[in-house]
Amino acid sequence: GEDVEQSLFLSVREGDSSVINCTYTDSSSTYLYWYKQEPGAGLQLLTYIFSNMDMKQDQRLTVLLNKKDKHLSLRIADTQTGDSAIYFCAENNQGGKLIFGQGTELSVKP
Amino acid sequence: NAGVTQTPKFQVLKTGQSMTLQCAQDMNHEYMSWYRQDPGMGLRLIHYSVGAGITDQGEVPNGYNVSRSTTEDFPLRLLSAAPSQTSVYFCASSYGASGRNEQFFGPGTRLTVL
Repeated sequence: GEDVEQSLFLSVREGDSSVINCTYTDSSSTYLYWYKQEPGAGLQLLTYIFSNMDMKQDQRLTVLLNKKDKHLSLRIADTQTGDSAIYFCAENNQGGKLIFGQGTELSVKP
Repeated sequence: NAGVTQTPKFQVLKTGQSMTLQCAQDMNHEYMSWYRQDPGMGLRLIHYSVGAGITDQGEVPNGYNVSRSTTEDFPLRLLSAAPSQTSVYFCASSYGASGRNEQFFGPGTRLTVL
């Protein structure tokens, strides 16, 4: 079945780069997403990548997609304390439904 | 626009009680869905709707009912609450079901079943 896997925790120092990794199983997914959830709030779409791309950059965010290995990563440059949150990777299946990973809790230490 | 709104924000139920979680959106979105979020498990799809009058089951539908009588509203009903339904519930909406349509999430309802 479809599955999306992420590590649960990541801790970095302010100013460093953060890299959050994700693996997925559905090779037919056309879009892959990164969502951010701040404490007590809903999910907010950060960025997405179309499956025929291998990289997308948006200000401090860089998404890398390796379709062969079904691996997706999110790099946050110059990580700030305001970036502390849970980050979810998600893929859309053929029916348009989102399959989420478990979420990676990013902790940014000053 | 208010976006996606959910009520209540918090709820405590006893086992066997029933209740309805409300969800509304003012963006004229056709696609609406309900997820539950549990620690270490991400979000799992409960039910979804591709338009008024049409609903379907997601990954974890047991114990939940939905209806979609209007485009704006998509309530989630728990007929007989169980402790296993203790979770945070999120409603989401988008223009359509296809992948390029961004899903907008509500702020969530935190439910505890004793």
